Amino acid sequence: AQTVTQSQPEMSVQEAETVTLSCTYDTSESDYYLFWYKQPPSRQMILVIRQEAYKQQNATENRFSVNFQKAAKSFSLKISDSQLGDAAMYFCAYRSVENSGTYKYIFGTGTRLKVLA
Amino acid sequence: NAGVTQTPKFQVLKTGQSMTLQCAQDMNHEYMSWYRQDPGMGLRLIHYSVGAGITDQGEVPNGYNVSRSTTEDFPLRLLSAAPSQTSVYFCASGRGGEKLFFGSGTQLSVL
Repeated sequence: AQTVTQSQPEMSVQEAETVTLSCTYDTSESDYYLFWYKQPPSRQMILVIRQEAYKQQNATENRFSVNFQKAAKSFSLKISDSQLGDAAMYFCAYRSVENSGTYKYIFGTGTRLKVLA
Repeated sequence: NAGVTQTPKFQVLKTGQSMTLQCAQDMNHEYMSWYRQDPGMGLRLIHYSVGAGITDQGEVPNGYNVSRSTTEDFPLRLLSAAPSQTSVYFCASGRGGEKLFFGSGTQLSVL
């Protein structure tokens, strides 16, 4: 069974600095999707970035980028020029691609990011 | 499009009561799912479906039932509520390998 592990329950970063959130996953599949979601206090789930496993190039979205290491099964999120609005819970997620036609999305336990002014 | 509509937003139950959380989406998504969110536990998958008539168990299915009679609706039933089911519940839908669309969540307390 696939699993997603976020080993950092909480992280802090100074405003304007860079922070990296870690995510590792376990799977026997060769093709899948990975995501980072942001959940602010409003509880809304917001997609930050998406990565397709067959693409070697790391995904980027403005100040957000990932370091995707397929062999190591690692998918870390880098936030550059951190802003107060980045403070939130961040979830790493894995979406399987199963030959049976079924698939599912599973999430990690989350990392709470605090941004210090 | 309304997106994913989840009701109710808040609910208080007594132990042993039953209830249904409603979830509907108008985006013709094949995939629908239910998660529960507890502090320190992240989002845990309860049940999911990849189409009408198809459902499967996730990580924590005990105490919950689902059905998918239409593409649009995916209700979650609590058969006999227990205090351990106190949580925030999210419904989510998606298609292909694209992002999940989430409902606004249900805060459930079981006394």
